Parts: sequence; C-alpha cells; structure tokens
Amino acid sequence: GAVVSQHPSRVICKSGTSVKIECRSLDFQATTMFWYRQFPKQSLMLMATSNEGSKATYEQGVEKDKFLINHASLTLSTLTVTSAHPEDSSFYICSARGLTDTQYFGPGTRLTVL
Amino acid sequence: QKEVEQDPGPLSVPEGAIVSLNCTYSNSAFQYFMWYRQYSRKGPELLMYTYSSGNKEDGRFTAQVDKSSKYISLFIRDSQPSDSATYLCAMSERTGNTGKLIFGQGTTLQVKP
Repeated sequence: GAVVSQHPSRVICKSGTSVKIECRSLDFQATTMFWYRQFPKQSLMLMATSNEGSKATYEQGVEKDKFLINHASLTLSTLTVTSAHPEDSSFYICSARGLTDTQYFGPGTRLTVL
Repeated sequence: QKEVEQDPGPLSVPEGAIVSLNCTYSNSAFQYFMWYRQYSRKGPELLMYTYSSGNKEDGRFTAQVDKSSKYISLFIRDSQPSDSATYLCAMSERTGNTGKLIFGQGTTLQVKP
C-alpha cells in the first residue's frame, strides 16, 4: 500500500514552454501533498505544500507564479513549471500524506530544459 | 549553518560489514526523525521513523536518536550490495499538516561484493 506515482518520469522541453507534472496517490487519499526539488548530489528542498481544495503554501524563495500547484482532488496534485528556463532543470519529487503522518514519495520527474 | 548536517560520503564498505550513518542537527524542536533510502534517479523510500529519543530496530536496520546531543544514527547490519544507495535523514518539529520535513544532504553508500 501507500503508492505514489508521478507522470511523466522524464521530460525534455524547449526554453519558454510550460511543463505539467502529475502526482497521484494510488491507494490512499492524500490530504496533503508536497513538492520537492533535488539537484544532483544535493538534498531535497521543499518547494510548496498543498492541501486538497486550498491554495498551496510556498517556501521562501519559490516563485508561486512560476511553479503553479493545483491539488484538485484527494488523489491528484499537479505542478506546472511555466515559461521554463535551463536553470529550472532538476529532479522534481512529490510526496503525499494521508491519515498517518508518514510522507510517501513518488519516483520523481527529471526535467531538462534546453 | 545548515539545520541538518550529513556527511555526503561516499562511504564504501565490504559486503557483510556493519554500516553507521549519522546526522547532526541544530534545531532542538525537532521531535520526529526519519531515514529514507534513495536509489539513483528514484524517489526516497521510508526506512525508519522514530519519535523523540531512543532506539528502534527493524530487521537489519537500527535507528538511534540522541536528542541531548542532537545526533541521530542509522546502523545497517550484514550489509548487502543491494543496500548501495543514498541514505537521507529527515526530521520535523511537529506532525500533522505543519510537519515540514528538513532533509540532510544524503550519504552515498556503496557495498562491495
């Protein structure tokens, strides 16, 4: 149980385009979902926390207009990277938390912006 | 100073060795402590979850928390090549929807056959 999926697993896009990443909790209802960013050989940095049906809470330094987060249902959250630039290239990972306090992580999405 | 410090390694050990992984932290309000394992290009997988001080054992894995020293450890007994991965410590002040996880940098472990 407690499986979280992400789609796509890899995406390559041109600079200036927008990319949407989906995060789904497959076998539980996630009241809270988190979006992280991870650079090579570095730790996970929390970008934002989203609760179903409400606006996401962004961490300091994260541009909310650039990283749009929608948590439309208890099993789905999306992260849209708008007007992507090469510096946005990174590994994006979501996690989901249900009734327990444990966060379950998705497999990650590797974004490459050319 | 980072809130959570973790030696990035890499740490290389022979198969069967006992592995000790450690993190130190500065925020005395941390109460919940976790260890995650992350294989290359994959998301982290929860290994151990502990609350406050003490030890917790699960199979070959033992997690220790010493809040007085602000120091946590993960021990892996009889290490296997399949244990080769990056190990991340994580901690939070509180649980519930405000329980933001703060991660260490991760230690890369290689277990050689």
